[in-house]
Amino acid sequence: GEDVEQSLFLSVREGDSSVINCTYTDSSSTYLYWYKQEPGAGLQLLTYIFSNMDMKQDQRLTVLLNKKDKHLSLRIADTQTGDSAIYFCAERGGFQKLVFGTGTRLLVSP
Amino acid sequence: EAQVTQNPRYLITVTGKKLTVTCSQNMNHEYMSWYRQDPGLGLRQIYYSMNVEVTDKGDVPEGYKVSRKEKRNFPLILESPSPNQTSLYFCASGTSGEFYNEQFFGPGTRLTVL
Repeated sequence: GEDVEQSLFLSVREGDSSVINCTYTDSSSTYLYWYKQEPGAGLQLLTYIFSNMDMKQDQRLTVLLNKKDKHLSLRIADTQTGDSAIYFCAERGGFQKLVFGTGTRLLVSP
Repeated sequence: EAQVTQNPRYLITVTGKKLTVTCSQNMNHEYMSWYRQDPGLGLRQIYYSMNVEVTDKGDVPEGYKVSRKEKRNFPLILESPSPNQTSLYFCASGTSGEFYNEQFFGPGTRLTVL
């Protein structure tokens, strides 16, 4: 079955790197996603990675995928206070369904 | 502006009083979906629709109904709300197909059932 797990909370200082981790169970997932939810707002797609890739970099964001361990991570370089939000990883299930993790609340302190 | 809109944004109601949360998208997307977000549980899919007149159950459909009479609209209906349906609800839309597709989310509807 599909199940996605994340740690619930991460606190970093401004300027540090943040690493948010996620484990998933469905090895047939073709795409894995990172969504960001700012306070009082809906989810917004940050980035995604195709399952045949190990890494994807997009400006300050680096996504690493370890298919053997079914582990996905999101690294945010030079974390800013504006990065404070809840980050969800998600895998694509059947019929375009997104299976979300529990979300990691990132708190960036000055 | 391409967007998904939901109404109302906030709603407080009482047990048993029927309500409808509307969702509309202006991107001509075939796929639409409803999720609920609860602390510690992430987002769980309630219902989805692959196209007009095609709807199907997600992971937590009990107590909810949907309809898809037009491509742009996908209302969520609670015929007899109960307190365990107090939650934050999100509507989303996206393109169909086997390849990568981004889903666009509405701003959310916070529902409290007393």
